[in-house]
Amino acid sequence: GAGVSQSPSNKVTEKGKDVELRCDPISGHTALYWYRQRLGQGLEFLIYFQGNSAPDKSGLPSDRFSAERTGESVSTLTIQRTQQEDSAVYLCASSVRQGRNEQFFGPGTRLTVL
Amino acid sequence: AQRVTQPEKLLSVFKGAPVELKCNYSYSGSPELFWYVQYSRQRLQLLLRHISRESIKGFTADLNKGETSFHLKKPFAQEEDSAMYYCALKSGANNLFFGTGTRLTVIP
Repeated sequence: GAGVSQSPSNKVTEKGKDVELRCDPISGHTALYWYRQRLGQGLEFLIYFQGNSAPDKSGLPSDRFSAERTGESVSTLTIQRTQQEDSAVYLCASSVRQGRNEQFFGPGTRLTVL
Repeated sequence: AQRVTQPEKLLSVFKGAPVELKCNYSYSGSPELFWYVQYSRQRLQLLLRHISRESIKGFTADLNKGETSFHLKKPFAQEEDSAMYYCALKSGANNLFFGTGTRLTVIP
């Protein structure tokens, strides 16, 4: 079966514009995670979805960042009024459920804000 | 607050030599630690987790609570081990807290 997919693979945008990043998790995976990786840094947790529960948004860096997920399907990460410091690779991961299960990562979306 | 430290950004070893990638953590609770690996042009993937006490591709890692370390070791490095390695700590119930990574290069 297909793994986690993300689109677009690359996105170049101008400062101040909004962007939407998409993640398709592995079918049947109830947990979905978004991470950000800035150049030379580790992965930063952004947000976590588990089924129909309220998402854990504790990692979102500002109110310009938001994410949605309908049920156990696709998730979109939206960044409004992008800034240059938002330039990073955004990684999505899914797992069967929260806890000890392995997280499977997508290929990432490389966002460049000019 | 939790923290994962990988002190070496780059590590080069010769083929057949032992390799150790260092990871130290700071966490007030009972830690669960993982090593993830990203080979060239591939996705980030789980290599091993401490609770499984397993050896994957010849790699092992022992959790040392006294030294708050989870170093990754392999007795004889192979060229195919060249990759980016990330140590990660499960923080709370949900997310992983990653170190900055070590790029391992195995010289033929």
